[in-house]
Amino acid sequence: NAGVMQNPRHLVRRRGQEARLRCSPMKGHSHVYWYRQLPEEGLKFMVYLQKENIIDESGMPKERFSAEFPKEGPSILRIQQVVRGDSAAYFCASSWDRKTSGNTIYFGEGSWLTVV
Amino acid sequence: GESVGLHLPTLSVQEGDNSIINCAYSNSASDYFIWYKQESGKGPQFIIDIRSNMDKRQGQRVTVLLNKTVKHLSLQIAATQPGDSAVYFCADPLNAGGTSYGKLTFGQGTILTVHP
Repeated sequence: NAGVMQNPRHLVRRRGQEARLRCSPMKGHSHVYWYRQLPEEGLKFMVYLQKENIIDESGMPKERFSAEFPKEGPSILRIQQVVRGDSAAYFCASSWDRKTSGNTIYFGEGSWLTVV
Repeated sequence: GESVGLHLPTLSVQEGDNSIINCAYSNSASDYFIWYKQESGKGPQFIIDIRSNMDKRQGQRVTVLLNKTVKHLSLQIAATQPGDSAVYFCADPLNAGGTSYGKLTFGQGTILTVHP
């Protein structure tokens, strides 16, 4: 049973380009969470999605960032016109249900974005 | 403006020693806590959790203590091994009416280094 799959694992973008990060949740999971981790910091919640719905985007920057989780296919975190401050590790997590305990939230291995 | 990365607390121990990693929380309403281990270049990995109706919980080589009076958690690792070297985070899921949700607030983290 494959875990949470994220790709690309590493992505380099020039300032002003777009970055697209993909997350395939664990099989059977319909709840996806995106987190961002800046160097030397803990993970910060960005957005919570279910299939075709954004449930909570309180951690998303107001501009340039968007997320989706379509009916078919992976969840996508999209960053437009990237700036150096967007350089971070972006982690996806999934769960089977909205109600959860620690051992039912599964994290992917992350996508490391570097903006040059 | 952009946030500045903070230097994480560090703990350096010899193999075989016991390690104690601390975490403070601020929300009195928090009733469930999770400890994660994050190895370099990887996503967070669940270690152990505890609910607020307990003050101690034990797992394999790990014990979590909860002091609600001072809003403090600790993770104790017995007979620490080089493979325990990682960053350790406590996390607090969003609490909604007594049910925990997958939106997590992570603590600052502690870098544990185990010397052979």
